[in-house]
Amino acid sequence: DAGITQSPRHKVTETGTPVTLRCHQTENHRYMYWYRQDPGHGLRLIHYSYGVKDTDKGEVSDGYSVSRSKTEDFLLTLESATSSQTSVYFCAIRGGLAVPGSYEQYFGPGTRLTVT
Amino acid sequence: DAKTTQPNSMESNEEEPVHLPCNHSTISGTDYIHWYRQLPSQGPEYVIHGLTSNVNNRMASLAIAEDRKSSTLILHRATLRDAAVYYCILRPNTGNQFYFGTGTSLTVIP
Repeated sequence: DAGITQSPRHKVTETGTPVTLRCHQTENHRYMYWYRQDPGHGLRLIHYSYGVKDTDKGEVSDGYSVSRSKTEDFLLTLESATSSQTSVYFCAIRGGLAVPGSYEQYFGPGTRLTVT
Repeated sequence: DAKTTQPNSMESNEEEPVHLPCNHSTISGTDYIHWYRQLPSQGPEYVIHGLTSNVNNRMASLAIAEDRKSSTLILHRATLRDAAVYYCILRPNTGNQFYFGTGTSLTVIP
């Protein structure tokens, strides 16, 4: 358990509404990630952060923004949700200290988002 | 970014060894090979990683071909709790990103 929580765990929202998902960690890790998981696509990286206020895009960043004002929190925002953003969203942190060089990622429990 | 190819699904009998293959013919010299698995309704978890030499840990073994164009994750005695999707991932030495792909869904038959 790497002390990662996600909120909310489930959310149903309507097309066009803004949605913010929160990832919270308790172990002061520098790197944090947001992925989405859809059938047939596996996990795909949306955005990641390498420090407070330092973020970068992943392979499916369109329609998403992120913010990191504190080390412990990484927020994912859908400015105007669409049905194509219905997915399971996973947050992860990068550890790597337990196994040198592993860049081991620890994942949160996921948030199931449905956009109707 | 270099990609990996894995079979969509595999089956194994309980308590027998399982060999999960992964092809990565475009791997570069500094790419690390990582394996993660995802149990039902959970996030992925780290299994093992390596660069050139075979690796063993408490969960599994990783066998890397001499030319590094393929690798095999070995579960020595499959249990029902090993039923999961297994992902083979290449991570550049200087990269911060993981590209998971669709993985291999392993079914363990009692």
